Amino acid sequence: DTAVSQTPKYLVTQMGNDKSIKCEQNLGHDTMYWYKQDSKKFLKIMFSYNNKELIINETVPNRFSPKSPDKAHLNLHINSLELGDSAVYFCASSQDFVDSYEQYFGPGTRLTVT
Amino acid sequence: RKEVEQDPGPFNVPEGATVAFNCTYSNSASQSFFWYRQDCRKEPKLLMSVYSSGNEDGRFTAQLNRASQYISLLIRDSKLSDSATYLCVMQRGSNYKLTFGKGTLLTVNP
Repeated sequence: DTAVSQTPKYLVTQMGNDKSIKCEQNLGHDTMYWYKQDSKKFLKIMFSYNNKELIINETVPNRFSPKSPDKAHLNLHINSLELGDSAVYFCASSQDFVDSYEQYFGPGTRLTVT
Repeated sequence: RKEVEQDPGPFNVPEGATVAFNCTYSNSASQSFFWYRQDCRKEPKLLMSVYSSGNEDGRFTAQLNRASQYISLLIRDSKLSDSATYLCVMQRGSNYKLTFGKGTLLTVNP
């Protein structure tokens, strides 16, 4: 069974559209994250939720809105997509946000904005 | 200055070689350090934590030098399967946020 899963795996869309990426983890972890990996392979955290509560909100345009319906799910909604949003988005989870050194990553969603 | 800096490589080495990567960090309050591995077009995975006393896991040895603010990863007897990007990662105290370096690309050639 996949520990951290994301859908879709690939997403190609036009500028100005709104899209969502879903993430689910079946590890029973308390904390989930969204990362963005750009074309230069730089992996940067965007958001983190602990038990459905937002605990990390980096400097990310407010067109990006995370939603955590329960602690096993963390979705990412992006409004008014721009070319610069093209990247690979990784979801991750960890057992406890205080001792979160091992984060388990999903397979990534490759977003291409045209 | 970036919080975590790595030599991006690429490193091209033959099978059986020993290769070392270094990583420097700018925030002396950083407390926890790790090496993650990312295969091409895959997700990052934890390779090993880095302890102050240094630690070894098979062919992999990690070292931490707090005075000079750098960590290192040594891979002995390189295998083809070691080809990947190695990410230096730090965590500050009770701040659960992980900060990733840009990674060092290693290619092990037959």
